[in-house]
Amino acid sequence: DTGVSQDPRHKITKRGQNVTFRCDPISEHNRLYWYRQTLGQGPEFLTYFQNEAQLEKSRLLSDRFSAERPKGSFSTLEIQRTEQGDSAMYLCASVKGGQRNYGYTFGSGTRLTVV
Amino acid sequence: KQEVTQIPAALSVPEGENLVLNCSFTDSAIYNLQWFRQDPGKGLTSLLLIQSSQREQTSGRLNASLDKSSGRSTLYIAASQPGDSATYLCAGVSGGSYIPTFGRGTSLIVHP
Repeated sequence: DTGVSQDPRHKITKRGQNVTFRCDPISEHNRLYWYRQTLGQGPEFLTYFQNEAQLEKSRLLSDRFSAERPKGSFSTLEIQRTEQGDSAMYLCASVKGGQRNYGYTFGSGTRLTVV
Repeated sequence: KQEVTQIPAALSVPEGENLVLNCSFTDSAIYNLQWFRQDPGKGLTSLLLIQSSQREQTSGRLNASLDKSSGRSTLYIAASQPGDSATYLCAGVSGGSYIPTFGRGTSLIVHP
């Protein structure tokens, strides 16, 4: 169990560019979540997957955002045509689904800065 | 929809004090509540998980309680140390969606 891994740790991009982040969950965890956190705020839910199925998306997830989990293992979050308001920490979490009594494990996050 | 509030937003205490962080939630049909610690610029580290059937959980100097009827959880930190300085977040899971809802956190500074 190596925990939840996120890559890259930091990303600086120019406004208008596309960026993609990756999350590798704990291997036996079938549920994977993406959150966004801005300074001084708690994490806000973006979307989550059970295996490869994307089950719920927040209204925060605009058309410029897309997430995939093609084989039910790692997941990617892509932001197209980035805006300065996208600057935030993007957090990934996983949990062993099927029961609601497990705790969620978070990765170290990807810090996005849009300049 | 579950809403989570944390009070206070910030706290500064001298080393050695016992302190209590508060977390309130609106949906009493909560499955579990989890406390996390977050250091600046880092991800979240899980501290304690309390199931809906439990009243409290303990780990070292930390004790978390859950009172579903009043919609409250507290995190008690005994004999605080400078290394405890961080932001503490609580997250509740309720309803059928298995999506944790977070508060804004309490920023704690423990000074020597």
